[in-house]
Amino acid sequence: AQKVTQAQTEISVVEKEDVTLDCVYETRDTTYYLFWYKQPPSGELVFLIRRNSFDEQNEISGRYSWNFQKSTSSFNFTITASQVVDSAVYFCALSENNNAGNMLTFGGGTRLMVKP
Amino acid sequence: SQTIHQWPATLVQPVGSPLSLECTVEGTSNPNLYWYRQAAGRGLQLLFYSVGIGQISSEVPQNLSASRPQDRQFILSSKKLLLSDSGFYLCAWSVDRVIYNEQFFGPGTRLTVL
Repeated sequence: AQKVTQAQTEISVVEKEDVTLDCVYETRDTTYYLFWYKQPPSGELVFLIRRNSFDEQNEISGRYSWNFQKSTSSFNFTITASQVVDSAVYFCALSENNNAGNMLTFGGGTRLMVKP
Repeated sequence: SQTIHQWPATLVQPVGSPLSLECTVEGTSNPNLYWYRQAAGRGLQLLFYSVGIGQISSEVPQNLSASRPQDRQFILSSKKLLLSDSGFYLCAWSVDRVIYNEQFFGPGTRLTVL
């Protein structure tokens, strides 16, 4: 069965610091997809990125970057020069291929607090 | 573009009262639809999902039920609310295909049962 672990329940940083959110997953499938979502205080989950298991290239989008390491089953998320608006709960999720209904397995989330 | 709506945004209900939360999606056809619950400070719990009209799969046994009367409408109901039903309810949709299967979430309904 698949599982997603976000060991950091809460992280506090000061603005402009870099911060990395860890995500470790377990799956028996060779084809799967990994996701990151942001949940700001308003509550709505915002989709950030999707990665498939055959693409281990790291990705950068502005201040956000993602490091996918199949060898360690990790998909970590780094925010560079953090800002107060980055304060949110971040969820990592996994979807196995051919799963009926395209269901996601979510990690427990990491609450990031960026202080001015 | 696709949008997803949920209402009401907030709801305060007494124990034992009925519940009806509605979710609608615009701009897509035959989406997969999902109901999640998030207890305060906790992660996401999948309650129900639907791959088509009238097709509901339950992930967690409880006193809640779901229905999909139309292609882009998903309803979460209860005949008698419990205190433990309090939480943040999120509806989500995804494209009905194997790949690129990210889910997109609605704004949520915050339910307080007193």
